[in-house]
Amino acid sequence: DTVLTQSPALAVSPGERVSISCRASEGVNSYMHWYQQKPGQQPKLLIYKASNLASGVPARFSGSGSGTDFTLTIDPVEADDTATYFCQQSWNDPDTFGAGTKLELK
Amino acid sequence: EVQLVESGGGLVQPGRSMKLSCAASGFTFSNYGMAWVRQAPTKGLEWVATISYDGSSTYYRDSVKGRFTISRDNAKSTLYLQMNSLRSEDTATYYCTRDGTYYYPNWFAYWGQGTLVTVSS
Repeated sequence: DTVLTQSPALAVSPGERVSISCRASEGVNSYMHWYQQKPGQQPKLLIYKASNLASGVPARFSGSGSGTDFTLTIDPVEADDTATYFCQQSWNDPDTFGAGTKLELK
Repeated sequence: EVQLVESGGGLVQPGRSMKLSCAASGFTFSNYGMAWVRQAPTKGLEWVATISYDGSSTYYRDSVKGRFTISRDNAKSTLYLQMNSLRSEDTATYYCTRDGTYYYPNWFAYWGQGTLVTVSS
């Protein structure tokens, strides 16, 4: 299975820019997607196919990358962005998720 | 507005069966593939099974093959997951998801609120 590696946690101040990385153990073309999960809630799609903003998602969120290295950027970060962010690939079977990056605000 | 509402979770003994349902609304159910994704307590996300828009194709992760069956009733806009021979490692919140588009590879565009399945004696 394709392993997706994310840093476990980040802490930033409101108004700053934050980049969350996801590295795949093998190429996934552009089929990397990003989700936000707040405590006690279901995940929510933010970015699909590496750089496409999902419907209703603020333009503060953006995605980039291809192949094996991908980044989710939030600029500027707001207090409501406190959550865990997961990457997911759908190019190689089976679909796999990263372990998640917990974003905390200072 | 897309809505996915799961039901059927609860406490079940190892080796027993349970059937989950997901009632969909706010979109043309028969146009989209659907999937189940699970999350063990305080753990990450894990894809479980996918079904095509018309039910003709199904896909499973290896650990549930032969034990779980995904199905759908397009007339009722409902997705199902029949889980047999349940194991403790199947304990998780199960999310119903809808595909983002009509073709593959795809992504999980919409998620239900989840239903908790606890496998324990």
